[in-house]
Amino acid sequence: QQPVQSPQAVILREGEDAVINCSSSKALYSVHWYRQKHGEAPVFLMILLKGGEQKGHEKISASFNEKKQQSSLYLTASQLSYSGTYFCGTEAEYPGNTPLVFGKGTRLSVIA
Amino acid sequence: EAGVAQSPRYKIIEKRQSVAFWCNPISGHATLYWYQQILGQGPKLLIQFQNNGVVDDSQLPKDRFSAERLKGVDSTLKIQPAKLEDSAVYLCATTSTPQAFFGQGTRLTVV
Repeated sequence: QQPVQSPQAVILREGEDAVINCSSSKALYSVHWYRQKHGEAPVFLMILLKGGEQKGHEKISASFNEKKQQSSLYLTASQLSYSGTYFCGTEAEYPGNTPLVFGKGTRLSVIA
Repeated sequence: EAGVAQSPRYKIIEKRQSVAFWCNPISGHATLYWYQQILGQGPKLLIQFQNNGVVDDSQLPKDRFSAERLKGVDSTLKIQPAKLEDSAVYLCATTSTPQAFFGQGTRLTVV
């Protein structure tokens, strides 16, 4: 089942913060976050495994709440280069070795 | 390391024609996926290979789509005959646990 992302789109000024959420109705083993710029392939940002660990990548971090089956991506002090569409990909806990199911994406625009 | 290579980058065909896409994965990556990404949406899985065997093709429209992976390396995805709703970007991805690496995709336009 496809995870639900929110918001669908967000516009930020440089230096502002944003949070993107990803929710699933299924028990998850992992949540992956990708960023895709227009006309390019999705690029891996980070993965969160079951356990609620928070990860960081430059000024982008994420958390995974396994009780709620929800992950949040935090972008702090946003830069123009952060613009793009952010996708979460979820991997179900069962039966294992399942392919990623992606959300519809959150379009982030950072303006000067 | 070299990335996932896909060709062609762009393809325009008329409906009812056939088309084929090619993917050359990163060396040593056993798992290969084909995803369909319709404009404004997230990638949707079509088929998953493990080496040269199919693991999951439950979402592949088998009446018109087919895919194979030769000797567990290169893969081709074919559509025959194409429909207007097949217009999308077709992404190939391979994994080195836990990360998936995507190719740049083939943008298909069916007119």
